[in-house]
Amino acid sequence: SQTIHQWPATLVQPVGSPLSLECTVEGTSNPNLYWYRQAAGRGLQLLFYSVGIGQISSEVPQNLSASRPQDRQFILSSKKLLLSDSGFYLCAWSVAGGNTIYFGEGSWLTVV
Amino acid sequence: DQQVKQNSPSLSVQEGRISILNCDYTNSMFDYFLWYKKYPAEGPTFLISISSIKDKNEDGRFTVFLNKSAKHLSLHIVPSQPGDSAVYFCAASARGGSEKLVFGKGTKLTVNP
Repeated sequence: SQTIHQWPATLVQPVGSPLSLECTVEGTSNPNLYWYRQAAGRGLQLLFYSVGIGQISSEVPQNLSASRPQDRQFILSSKKLLLSDSGFYLCAWSVAGGNTIYFGEGSWLTVV
Repeated sequence: DQQVKQNSPSLSVQEGRISILNCDYTNSMFDYFLWYKKYPAEGPTFLISISSIKDKNEDGRFTVFLNKSAKHLSLHIVPSQPGDSAVYFCAASARGGSEKLVFGKGTKLTVNP
């Protein structure tokens, strides 16, 4: 069966510091991968998605970037965090061309 | 512009009764709809889905109804249980592409014992 893991689960970082959140998927090949953010009262916002290694699409302009160095690995990064980057970040995957997205456990980021 | 709207931020029901969660959408190109359930500090879990070629899909205590003319869907939970207390997100996609899954803001359901 397929599983998805992301880490760290919680993170407290000062403004201006870098960020790296990592996500891996097991039990499937060539998945679509996603990074979502849930900010308070704003639902789930798609940040990035990837249909293959090195292929990243950005949905919203922001202070963050994403990379996919391996087929089942997806990384969310920032060079300098802003207070507004605080939120609950969710990695997700789907079968290529599929309709259903499956989420990881989420990572709480607090920028102080 | 919010394409998927969940106008009720919260809903409270008694255990054993029916819970009805509503969702409206504006994009007529949406042809696949999903409901997710989310507990605090956890990732959302897929609950049930429906294609636009159907108007009803049932899975145990959960039934999703789709009214295409009204651009409205609803999730019915019968009977409601305290463990159903969570935030429920409605989501929609167009032409089968999950990379364009659009979520509502969620409805917090509380089932009282």
